[in-house]
Amino acid sequence: AQSVTQLGSHVSVSEGALVLLRCNYSSSVPPYLFWYVQYPNQGLQLLLKYTSAATLVKGINGFEAEFKKSETSFHLTKPSAHMSDAAEYFCAVKGTDKLIFGTGTRLQVFP
Amino acid sequence: KAGVTQTPRYLIKTRGQQVTLSCSPISGHRSVSWYQQTPGQGLQFLFEYFSETQRNKGNFPGRFSGRQFSNSRSEMNVSTLELGDSALYLCASSLEGARVNKNIQYFGAGTRLSVL
Repeated sequence: AQSVTQLGSHVSVSEGALVLLRCNYSSSVPPYLFWYVQYPNQGLQLLLKYTSAATLVKGINGFEAEFKKSETSFHLTKPSAHMSDAAEYFCAVKGTDKLIFGTGTRLQVFP
Repeated sequence: KAGVTQTPRYLIKTRGQQVTLSCSPISGHRSVSWYQQTPGQGLQFLFEYFSETQRNKGNFPGRFSGRQFSNSRSEMNVSTLELGDSALYLCASSLEGARVNKNIQYFGAGTRLSVL
């Protein structure tokens, strides 16, 4: 069965600092992985996806993630945080008939 | 192209009542999935409908049901509401259905249900 684990329920960074949100997956088959972002009182917006093509995936808003099979990881990064990046971020793995989500990481950005 | 539309955005009900939530998928999408989001349990899969057929159901009691119409719009119904049903209910639409690995799910803004 597939699962994802997000390390750190809260991450705080200063504006302009590197953002690193961690996600580790467990899957018995080659995984399809996703990062979604949720702003307050909104639904989920797809940031990026890994579907077994390039291991470095670029998404919207300057985010990217690298698939590392040896580490079973799919961490999300952004070189320079912006105040507007403050939100909750969810890593997800494709299950047989559904998306399986991690518990989420709330990102705070301080001026 | 319009995104996924969920109505209403907010609902307040009392215990024992029933509620119906609506989801209009992106034009051309035939699959609609429903998820429940709570602070304690996170995002949990409820069910998926594809071409008017329920294809998969999560681990929820029978009080939770849904249907899909020929125009792909979907409704979710919860009967005999309990306090624990308070949650954000998210609908996601996709083109090919959740069984397709590369299929992407696009989410609506959700319906926030409060049960008093």
